Amino acid sequence: EVQLMESGGGLVQPGGSLRLSCSLSGFMFRNYAMSWVRQAPGKGLEWISAISATGEDTYYAASVRGRFTISRDNSRNMVYLQMNNLRVEDTALYYCPKDTSGYLRPNSFEIWGQGTMVTVSS
Amino acid sequence: QSVLTQPPSVSGTPGQRVSISCSGSASSFGSSVVYWYQQVPGTAPKLLTEGNGQRSSGVPDRFSGSKSGTSASLAISGLRSDDEGDYYCAAWDDRLNIYVFGTGTKVTVL
Repeated sequence: EVQLMESGGGLVQPGGSLRLSCSLSGFMFRNYAMSWVRQAPGKGLEWISAISATGEDTYYAASVRGRFTISRDNSRNMVYLQMNNLRVEDTALYYCPKDTSGYLRPNSFEIWGQGTMVTVSS
Repeated sequence: QSVLTQPPSVSGTPGQRVSISCSGSASSFGSSVVYWYQQVPGTAPKLLTEGNGQRSSGVPDRFSGSKSGTSASLAISGLRSDDEGDYYCAAWDDRLNIYVFGTGTKVTVL
């Protein structure tokens, strides 16, 4: 059974930093690209970043490029999102869903966790 | 800016068939596979269709996805009250190398 859990969210001031973690199990983690998707309160889904199965390729939405960094540790089945220079508009629930089959880049997201909430406020 | 445009809302009565459209630019999505997600309020999104409209595991055949050129659609037949929620299309933008979710459509069962 696939299990995933996001953690690391919390309250941070504008300009601050947070590091989100995502722990996954129950499948061959090293064979799948991984993404982070967020949802601001009352708003739609926004994909923000992805990393290929090997970690060699990373992709970012324009809204976070240069501020966020995605990484992974295939030996520990973990994905991370380092978020720097946070803005009020980064306030959202952050998910790291499991991809159906993507290796180099995302395809579709078949399993979602509960997410971890990030609140950026002074 | 890469955008997949959906109607803000769609409504229907129980048993009715409704359709949700999703359109993007040819340069970004002309050859892309379009996926559909359902999100019931207060819960995480759920994948409805994978590549070429194939339904995800456990999704009833009342849901069907299709794509023609740069437009896609999700049809829900035999509308039920538990179909209420937000629906999103999504695709990989080959030009910008980003994944894009549609603007979202709220489905209401009258």
